[in-house]
Amino acid sequence: DAGITQSPRHKVTETGTPVTLRCHQTENHRYMYWYRQDPGHGLRLIHYSYGVKDTDKGEVSDGYSVSRSKTEDFLLTLESATSSQTSVYFCAISEEAGRTQPQHFGDGTRLSIL
Amino acid sequence: SQQGEEDPQALSIQEGENATMNCSYKTSINNLQWYRQNSGRGLVHLILIRSNEREKHSGRLRVTLDTSKKSSSLLITASRAADTASYFCATSWMDSSYKLIFGSGTRLLVRP
Repeated sequence: DAGITQSPRHKVTETGTPVTLRCHQTENHRYMYWYRQDPGHGLRLIHYSYGVKDTDKGEVSDGYSVSRSKTEDFLLTLESATSSQTSVYFCAISEEAGRTQPQHFGDGTRLSIL
Repeated sequence: SQQGEEDPQALSIQEGENATMNCSYKTSINNLQWYRQNSGRGLVHLILIRSNEREKHSGRLRVTLDTSKKSSSLLITASRAADTASYFCATSWMDSSYKLIFGSGTRLLVRP
């Protein structure tokens, strides 16, 4: 299995609070991705990174920000969590752009916003 | 909007039978990938087929791609209970995007 660790694995929080999810990789892969998975929607890309300090938006980026200060860490922040952001969040990595190479996934963070 | 759509949404078969899942997409693609997800886990890459390929095999998996019909199929032969999982197709578009677009998946149940 690819060395990808997501933390925390589970979190319950209240509407309006800030939340940060962490993805840590030990593979030294250049590309990192954050997805959310909701019933009936498959996986939807939130943000991705193509290098340290290089990030871009995905299809559902509103309400989320990311940062990548080191190759191994990619942080996803919900500045002010809303109930619509209750979801399972997955981090993925790939050596080259995910459209040409497989992506490897962490085991997810289940986030509940009450 | 989603690029790939799997069919059927759910499939239940007996161990030893073959399972076929289909994926349709809307625009021209660079390649198409299939992933498996076991309950409570992340996705695992199974196979990648490029737009200029028609068929690819990996163990008990066979993937076909028909670009004229904008569709792909995943065949799992001689299924096992351990194949029970959700299966997703993911497409990359013919632009400079780094992105994969995932379908909503097929839930496969293999009964012992």
